[in-house]
Amino acid sequence: NAGVTQTPKFQVLKTGQSMTLQCAQDMNHEYMSWYRQDPGMGLRLIHYSVGAGITDQGEVPNGYNVSRSTTEDFPLRLLSAAPSQTSVYFCASSSGHQPQHFGDGTRLSIL
Amino acid sequence: SQQGEEDPQALSIQEGENATMNCSYKTSINNLQWYRQNSGRGLVHLILIRSNEREKHSGRLRVTLDTSKKSSSLLITASRAADTASYFCATRPASGTYKYIFGTGTRLKVLA
Repeated sequence: NAGVTQTPKFQVLKTGQSMTLQCAQDMNHEYMSWYRQDPGMGLRLIHYSVGAGITDQGEVPNGYNVSRSTTEDFPLRLLSAAPSQTSVYFCASSSGHQPQHFGDGTRLSIL
Repeated sequence: SQQGEEDPQALSIQEGENATMNCSYKTSINNLQWYRQNSGRGLVHLILIRSNEREKHSGRLRVTLDTSKKSSSLLITASRAADTASYFCATRPASGTYKYIFGTGTRLKVLA
């Protein structure tokens, strides 16, 4: 049982490039979320999904797109990378009011 | 910002001592959760307390919740070097949305 798997673990991009961060969970959880973690800021919610085909914005959605075509996968797309998007990105999943399960994160640097 | 606040930001104690960290939040909640994050890793859930609960225990952890003050505290008793980590609170709004709000975290260092 792998839990929440994020790929890649590390990525360096140039300003203006686009990329997709992958997140997959094997627990059949209906809820999935993407957060970014910056020094001294804790985690901030980017986008979340309450089920396949349903997504909504979090606190800091600008510059990011998501889709949820299956229960298992919740990719995060950076449309045109900016240095301000340098951060550690975490994906999480949960069911009902149960606690969230987190992946190990993707460390993203934008030059 | 909607973020909750945690204090202290950093805490350094000797092994065997108790560690207390506090979390304040801004909106009515359904539940409050505490997570631990070891350096370079994802967050691991520690304990969940619902809005109608005032205190909860799990092993060496004790969590209290005061909804009138919109605050919670996490007590780790008899700390160990392995408890060295960052600790975050997260609230789920009473409105029913899935928009968890995390605090800014407390960095705990337990000295052997």
